[in-house]
Amino acid sequence: ETGVTQSPTHLIKTRGQQVTLRCSSQSGHNTVSWYQQALGQGPQFIFQYYREEENGRGNFPPRFSGLQFPNYSSELNVNALELDDSALYLCASSLDRSGVMYEQYFGPGTRLTVT
Amino acid sequence: AQSVTQLGSHVSVSEGALVLLRCNYSSSVPPYLFWYVQYPNQGLQLLLKYTSAATLVKGINGFEAEFKKSETSFHLTKPSAHMSDAAEYFCAVMDSSYKLIFGSGTRLLVRP
Repeated sequence: ETGVTQSPTHLIKTRGQQVTLRCSSQSGHNTVSWYQQALGQGPQFIFQYYREEENGRGNFPPRFSGLQFPNYSSELNVNALELDDSALYLCASSLDRSGVMYEQYFGPGTRLTVT
Repeated sequence: AQSVTQLGSHVSVSEGALVLLRCNYSSSVPPYLFWYVQYPNQGLQLLLKYTSAATLVKGINGFEAEFKKSETSFHLTKPSAHMSDAAEYFCAVMDSSYKLIFGSGTRLLVRP
């Protein structure tokens, strides 16, 4: 079975632009969570999607939005990019929402640089 | 609110020496605790997790961690470090809405 994949691996954007990051969850996983990892810090929870519905959100502004598709793949959209949005964006998929009974599997991340 | 503190942003050990990475948590409810490892340019991999069963949890690659409620700690140990253990290690607690709250990480350096 394939693991969690993310695209693109790297990208550079200019302040004020918009970006879409993509995540393909592991086969059979219905839950996707997104995290932002700034340089030298631990990941911070952005939001989680369960069966195409948002299922929890961290302390991020509304310009961070997402989608989950019927095949459980997911997108993270960020509008009006700011310099502080430069980070590694990780997605993780799991078989259920709790991530306790079933492990969250992380993708390799997308490195976003905002100039 | 739950939180995690990892003491020491960098830990350096000799190959074959004991590895000890410290994690203290704050939680108002019985916690679910996790240790993840991150190798350069890769995502996070679960090493082990505590879910209120045995207090001594064994994980992959010879790592283990002990949950100590009285000390609110969940330190990660490995008896003998290997060069391949060099990586960033993150302790995390799961909150009541099932999101992971991570510490700031500890970079483990292994000297030959």
